[in-house]
Amino acid sequence: EVQLVESGGGLVEPGGSLRLSCAASGFTFSDEWMDWVRQAPGKGLEWVGRIKSRAAGGTTDYAAPVKGRFSISRDDSKDTLYLQMDSLKTEDTAIYYCTTDIWDWGQGTLVTVSS
Amino acid sequence: DIVMTQSPDSLAVSLGERATINCKSSQSVSDSSDTRNHLAWYQQKPGRPPTLLFRWESTRESGVPDRFSGSGSGTDFTLTISNLQTEDVAVYYCLQYYSIPYTFGQGTKLEI
Repeated sequence: EVQLVESGGGLVEPGGSLRLSCAASGFTFSDEWMDWVRQAPGKGLEWVGRIKSRAAGGTTDYAAPVKGRFSISRDDSKDTLYLQMDSLKTEDTAIYYCTTDIWDWGQGTLVTVSS
Repeated sequence: DIVMTQSPDSLAVSLGERATINCKSSQSVSDSSDTRNHLAWYQQKPGRPPTLLFRWESTRESGVPDRFSGSGSGTDFTLTISNLQTEDVAVYYCLQYYSIPYTFGQGTKLEI
């Protein structure tokens, strides 16, 4: 059974940084392309970005609102996905979900950007 | 970017009746090499993460009741829920994964 467990969310001031983690199990993590999707309170779903598997080049793609501020990485030895978020804005407040290339989803972790 | 537009925004259907949710993309999400439609449907219940109902527009995920069906091609897609049950109350989203950035529809809230 696929399991994705996000952690690292919390309250951060505008301009601050936060790193989210996603611990994966139940599948061969290194083979999978992984994505982050977010959902602002009471709003719809927004794709944040993805990282390909190492075999596919390990490259990343990002949505325009986060490009240059967010960075996705992976540690296949630890079956863990990361989302480094810098220069955070109030509009980044959302639940952040880790997904296996948008198929299976974790429970999410809440990030609140507020002073 | 491909814009995904769902209709209606909300829908009230009686128990046992049929619900139809539409999703339109601003450009084709069909792969010409294999004619597959890069379109997924999700269900999200309050306080829960989304769950995948269909990938490739009509490939039902394991455990999804056959009351749910997906159809469409090119730019127009439909999610149909027959014999509506109370547990179907949720927000439904379509997603195109044909091109980066992946984009979701705005969601359709289904009520009884």
